[in-house]
Amino acid sequence: NAGVTQTPKFQVLKTGQSMTLQCAQDMNHNSMYWYRQDPGMGLRLIYYSASEGTTDKGEVPNGYNVSRLNKREFSLRLESAAPSQTSVYFCASSIATYEQYFGPGTRLTVT
Amino acid sequence: GESVGLHLPTLSVQEGDNSIINCAYSNSASDYFIWYKQESGKGPQFIIDIRSNMDKRQGQRVTVLLNKTVKHLSLQIAATQPGDSAVYFCAERGDYKLSFGAGTTVTVRA
Repeated sequence: NAGVTQTPKFQVLKTGQSMTLQCAQDMNHNSMYWYRQDPGMGLRLIYYSASEGTTDKGEVPNGYNVSRLNKREFSLRLESAAPSQTSVYFCASSIATYEQYFGPGTRLTVT
Repeated sequence: GESVGLHLPTLSVQEGDNSIINCAYSNSASDYFIWYKQESGKGPQFIIDIRSNMDKRQGQRVTVLLNKTVKHLSLQIAATQPGDSAVYFCAERGDYKLSFGAGTTVTVRA
């Protein structure tokens, strides 16, 4: 039981490049989330998926898209990366909207 | 919008002492609160949670207190250990989503 896994762990992009962050969970959770964490700040919700087949915007969705591929997988895509998107990205999952389990994070730098 | 915040960004504690980490929340409609611990380079890890119909909940070496009158949440860690050094976040559930505070960095002195 791996919990929540994220790939890649580290990534460096040039401005304008695109990439997809992958997230998978093996806990049969219905809900999945993407957050970003910047220095000295808490976690800010980018997008979430309350159940398979649904996605909704969170607090900071601009510049991102998501896909809930199936119940296990929830991906985050940056179509045209910007330096302001340099951050640590966390994926999380939960049974409902209570306790969320987090992955180890992806550290993204955009130059 | 609604926000969750912590009173102090840093806390230094002597090993063996008790730690108290405070959090103020603003959404009186929040029905669930949770504390997370985040060690350097890792994702947040669940510590303890409490529902709004309770005012106290105890776990292993940790206690969460909820005062709805003043919208205040606290985490108490008994006999603080070096492994407790981390950033601690509180979060509240409102509109079916969790909102996180900025965190308190706890440093344990030997």
